[in-house]
Amino acid sequence: KAGVTQTPRYLIKTRGQQVTLSCSPISGHRSVSWYQQTPGQGLQFLFEYFSETQRNKGNFPGRFSGRQFSNSRSEMNVSTLELGDSALYLCASSLGEGGYGYTFGSGTRLTVV
Amino acid sequence: GESVGLHLPTLSVQEGDNSIINCAYSNSASDYFIWYKQESGKGPQFIIDIRSNMDKRQGQRVTVLLNKTVKHLSLQIAATQPGDSAVYFCAEIDSGSARQLTFGSGTQLTVLP
Repeated sequence: KAGVTQTPRYLIKTRGQQVTLSCSPISGHRSVSWYQQTPGQGLQFLFEYFSETQRNKGNFPGRFSGRQFSNSRSEMNVSTLELGDSALYLCASSLGEGGYGYTFGSGTRLTVV
Repeated sequence: GESVGLHLPTLSVQEGDNSIINCAYSNSASDYFIWYKQESGKGPQFIIDIRSNMDKRQGQRVTVLLNKTVKHLSLQIAATQPGDSAVYFCAEIDSGSARQLTFGSGTQLTVLP
């Protein structure tokens, strides 16, 4: 059974640009959550999507957005990139109802220069 | 805001010894806890979970203990092996409010030969 796939694995962007990251969940999983991991702040929740609807949102500025498609694949977008956005972005998928069996992908390493 | 934190940032143990990783949480409403292992270049990997109506749960070589009175969680790894070297995170969920994981800051476990 394929795991959670995140693309691309690595990205280098310039300040002010925007970026789109992709996450393909485990087949049958309808929930996708996004997390930002930095050495200073650790793992922080960005948002969760379930059945194409944002169900929960963390405390991040509006430059961070996401969406989910009908096949449960999800994308997150960061606009007007700042140096502080450099991080490992992780997505986790789960069935979305009942338990909390989150499976994480390997992440996308974003570097803003 | 409330958060989950770890007592020690690093832990070194001899191969074959038992490891104990601790975690303090502050949200008394949290009712589900998970331990994750994160190896370099990978996303967090589920180890074991426990619900707040339990105080102990065992897996293969791992045991999680929950003390709700002092809001303390621990992960015990028996007969620690080199492959156990990684960063370990505890995470909590308050299922009554939002489906998001709140992570602790992590403990780097190093297994010495």
